[in-house]
Amino acid sequence: QVQLQESGPGLVRPSQTLSLTCTVSGASISSDGFYWSWIRQRPGEGLEWIGNIYHRGNTYYNPSLKSRLSLSLDKSQSQFSLKVSSVTAADTAVYYCARSPRVVVAGKGGFDYWGQGTVVVVSS
Amino acid sequence: EIVMTQSPATLSVSPGERVTLSCRASQSVSSNLAWYQHKPGQAPRLLIYGVSTRATGIPARFSGSGSGTQFTLTITGLQSDDFAVYYCQHYNNWAWAFGQGTKVEIK
Repeated sequence: QVQLQESGPGLVRPSQTLSLTCTVSGASISSDGFYWSWIRQRPGEGLEWIGNIYHRGNTYYNPSLKSRLSLSLDKSQSQFSLKVSSVTAADTAVYYCARSPRVVVAGKGGFDYWGQGTVVVVSS
Repeated sequence: EIVMTQSPATLSVSPGERVTLSCRASQSVSSNLAWYQHKPGQAPRLLIYGVSTRATGIPARFSGSGSGTQFTLTITGLQSDDFAVYYCQHYNNWAWAFGQGTKVEIK
């Protein structure tokens, strides 16, 4: 059973860096078949793809957020992490981590497993 | 950057009805198109990938179709559990993007 669980502070001060970690169980974060992803939903808005990371270190970022993003992997802990720098109130959202199959390897796409989401509020 | 546009924003329907949701891509996404169901307080649920393949455990009343830039999600015989927001999403090897969502609400 594949499971993902987000963790991190629920409150971040403006201009600081938001840091979240996703712990993966039931699947190998080192698999060639998957990207590992972050998605968010701001209050009253839809889903927004933030970025993906592949176990070989390749990263893919939403162009609108790219300048403030950093994704990383810790294979020994089966975790991947998100950092968003210089946050403002507009970064207040529910943040989800998810698994994204690589079409050419897994034969399917989309985001097939998700964490439950974690609320992050940016406020002083 | 590919932009996904869904219509309508809201659909008011009665249980048992057939529902058709539309999604348009600003350029061709080939068959790299997925649909999700999202309910408040829950993680989104993958319904369809590859335009028309149902994900594991998804009932047959959900079906997807389309190609290139125009796609459709059809729910046949809407059930009370189906009232939610639905998103389309394109994926490839370097960018992923969601539509803005269609809310299916009880009439």
